[in-house]
Amino acid sequence: EAQVTQNPRYLITVTGKKLTVTCSQNMNHEYMSWYRQDPGLGLRQIYYSMNVEVTDKGDVPEGYKVSRKEKRNFPLILESPSPNQTSLYFCASSPGGKNEQFFGPGTRLTVL
Amino acid sequence: QKEVEQNSGPLSVPEGAIASLNCTYSDRGSQSFFWYRQYSGKSPELIMSIYSNGDQEDGRFTAQLNKASQYVSLLIRDSQPSDSATYLCALNTGNQFYFGTGTSLTVIP
Repeated sequence: EAQVTQNPRYLITVTGKKLTVTCSQNMNHEYMSWYRQDPGLGLRQIYYSMNVEVTDKGDVPEGYKVSRKEKRNFPLILESPSPNQTSLYFCASSPGGKNEQFFGPGTRLTVL
Repeated sequence: QKEVEQNSGPLSVPEGAIASLNCTYSDRGSQSFFWYRQYSGKSPELIMSIYSNGDQEDGRFTAQLNKASQYVSLLIRDSQPSDSATYLCALNTGNQFYFGTGTSLTVIP
């Protein structure tokens, strides 16, 4: 089944404790992206990757890191999480940078 | 100015009616346009993609794009209670994607 998977689905952590949210797709898509969704602000792009080893900032990259060492995986790293990073996070993939995206199930992160 | 603007609603229509959702955007360089449906607590699900001016139909859904006026719309015919969700307008500019904040639709049985 073609899908985007994310782990964990739910995470509660404390300020400053490094965490990684994994994202994997099995559709051989070149483009992958991370979003956060907050009430009243909608989906905002954090980082995106056009292909392996190619990443770029979206609209809200501060406090986040990404890497794309393999085509299928695109982890999101929070080196020192803060409460303002409490949000619902979605990973998405797309055949290319101008095509429709397919979303993972989401990760609900709470930073205390 | 926001890249993508949507009326947040809520929009209520009776079952069987046509629901009309609208979206305006600011960047004339935007190339690809999408409508997603999102149920509460779930991930966005693609409904329609539209890349050129005019109408595009898929079953009960019709997307309309007018680049000169910088708006894109979604019509849902024969609305069903299962269509009750938040509808997100999205577009691509360069290699980035921008989403509206969504319009909440309720279809009343």
